[in-house]
Amino acid sequence: DQQVKQNSPSLSVQEGRISILNCDYTNSMFDYFLWYKKYPAEGPTFLISISSIKDKNEDGRFTVFLNKSAKHLSLHIVPSQPGDSAVYFCAASISSGSARQLTFGSGTQLTVLP
Amino acid sequence: KAGVTQTPRYLIKTRGQQVTLSCSPISGHRSVSWYQQTPGQGLQFLFEYFSETQRNKGNFPGRFSGRQFSNSRSEMNVSTLELGDSALYLCASSLRTGYNSPLHFGNGTRLTVT
Repeated sequence: DQQVKQNSPSLSVQEGRISILNCDYTNSMFDYFLWYKKYPAEGPTFLISISSIKDKNEDGRFTVFLNKSAKHLSLHIVPSQPGDSAVYFCAASISSGSARQLTFGSGTQLTVLP
Repeated sequence: KAGVTQTPRYLIKTRGQQVTLSCSPISGHRSVSWYQQTPGQGLQFLFEYFSETQRNKGNFPGRFSGRQFSNSRSEMNVSTLELGDSALYLCASSLRTGYNSPLHFGNGTRLTVT
């Protein structure tokens, strides 16, 4: 049973436009969410995170939105650049306790067309 | 500062054999986590080590084991390899354990079981 789902395996966007990547989760215990970006032959790189006490977090061109009632989060990239082409993973964790375990979605391949 | 180093990058083993993967975390990082990535499955948590102690373990059979040394370096062992163990194994380090300490991933070890 996948607790974190990315239902779009791929997304193509024109350079300069907005990219919106979506993620749904089922476990209501999750209260901390992250996005990672992965290029081929490299490990994932941390992009941005959000705690469940917020509904929005912004870092430069990247904004993450959290809708707790819908158990849905999204990553907005504005404006999209060709260098943003990569696989994007959303991940969730539970903040209580000291151990660290992330539950990842299956990823969305973003292609930004020049 | 050097990143997370995983060795070897590629490995081919035969079913029934065992394998050991190695991970050197970023200098000063004391937490090491291991993840398995297979096509369409995203990243699945294997285990986390902090100060040589296993803090958390994912839903994998006992054939998967790991350890952490006093210098924070970690090894992961898989015994009696099965075809389904073919995957990219990713190691990640963080300064401390806990949900809000960002994970820094290595480039992974690609294991192929024939």
